Amino acid sequence: RKEVEQDPGPFNVPEGATVAFNCTYSNSASQSFFWYRQDCRKEPKLLMSVYSSGNEDGRFTAQLNRASQYISLLIRDSKLSDSATYLCVVNIRPRSQGNLIFGKGTKLSVKP
Amino acid sequence: DTGVSQDPRHKITKRGQNVTFRCDPISEHNRLYWYRQTLGQGPEFLTYFQNEAQLEKSRLLSDRFSAERPKGSFSTLEIQRTEQGDSAMYLCASSLKAGNTEAFFGQGTRLTVV
Repeated sequence: RKEVEQDPGPFNVPEGATVAFNCTYSNSASQSFFWYRQDCRKEPKLLMSVYSSGNEDGRFTAQLNRASQYISLLIRDSKLSDSATYLCVVNIRPRSQGNLIFGKGTKLSVKP
Repeated sequence: DTGVSQDPRHKITKRGQNVTFRCDPISEHNRLYWYRQTLGQGPEFLTYFQNEAQLEKSRLLSDRFSAERPKGSFSTLEIQRTEQGDSAMYLCASSLKAGNTEAFFGQGTRLTVV
């Protein structure tokens, strides 16, 4: 089983749609969780951290389920500018003292 | 510019040649990571440093690959005897030590082995 697995995508949605991405991780010792966004031919950038109680940032909501080793990202009222690849990232500790492991990413295309 | 910088941005080399990439992290960041990314894949972890100590190396990092961070500031990644399969984007990132902290990426070095 891969350390971090994501929905393969691509997701093609109309503007205004709600879309959800899922991610599972294999190491129960994982401590920190993130969603990164990567635009075409650009470097990844942090979208949001994921906290145990779940957290929201505008149209974006992240959830963590430690028992199921599952992370989600919900995007409401999607915009054309949300088109990108979304990367699930897990910080596996204490084994490796802070290694960041990325999923393969899920590509989102928002259409007019 | 106080972000992570990588040099060169692009490198074309012939198979069998050695190449070296440089990464300058954000100045107060203790941690420095190297990743490799190919088309349609997420970044694959190669290695990371905390200050000058190399704390982990991926199995992806064959004996042709070596990374250094001699003074705990900039880092170099060297690939010896390059192969076509080494063609990829090599990304460097840095972060503050430990905790739930953001890793900032450089724009990467795109390597093409011909």
